[in-house]
Amino acid sequence: AQSVTQLGSHVSVSEGALVLLRCNYSSSVPPYLFWYVQYPNQGLQLLLKYTTGATLVKGINGFEAEFKKSETSFHLTKPSAHMSDAAEYFCAVSDGGGADGLTFGKGTHLIIQP
Amino acid sequence: DTGVSQNPRHKITKRGQNVTFRCDPISEHNRLYWYRQTLGQGPEFLTYFQNEAQLEKSRLLSDRFSAERPKGSFSTLEIQRTEQGDSAMYLCATEVVTRQETQYFGPGTRLLVL
Repeated sequence: AQSVTQLGSHVSVSEGALVLLRCNYSSSVPPYLFWYVQYPNQGLQLLLKYTTGATLVKGINGFEAEFKKSETSFHLTKPSAHMSDAAEYFCAVSDGGGADGLTFGKGTHLIIQP
Repeated sequence: DTGVSQNPRHKITKRGQNVTFRCDPISEHNRLYWYRQTLGQGPEFLTYFQNEAQLEKSRLLSDRFSAERPKGSFSTLEIQRTEQGDSAMYLCATEVVTRQETQYFGPGTRLLVL
């Protein structure tokens, strides 16, 4: 069984500061890892994903994440926060086979202070 | 807009009534997933279709829930004899089977059972 733990249900940063959202996963097979963003009353939008290859992946809106197998982590970062980054962020894992869909963490609400 | 549409966007019903939601996928996306998201939680996998075949169902999907995907195009999710605990956001996601799967989410249907 797979699982995802997102540390911190709420993270608050100042505009222009570094954003760091933490994600740790558990998987019995090499994982596929994803970060999604959800704005109020909307569906989920893919920010970035790791499947194979380079462990540092870049996504949309200046976000990036690094897959660290030894730490079973896939933390999301952005060098400089913008007000428009305020949203709910979800980390997810799959085994790549599709059968059980994505397993999501509980989410982290990112608050940007002016 | 990811190209996945869901209708209705909002549904209010009384306990004991039946409701049906519809998902229209991106054209030629052969996999379709249903998820349920409750307040403060990440989405949870309900069921999955490849073309018209329903290949997997979560234990969360009680016998009051049924999903169909006739002809492998749009899908419907029906909840019979709704309960207050069914109140949630119901999300549909679709993907093309490739080596680097990406699920595209619709905007969701928010159900409130009174």
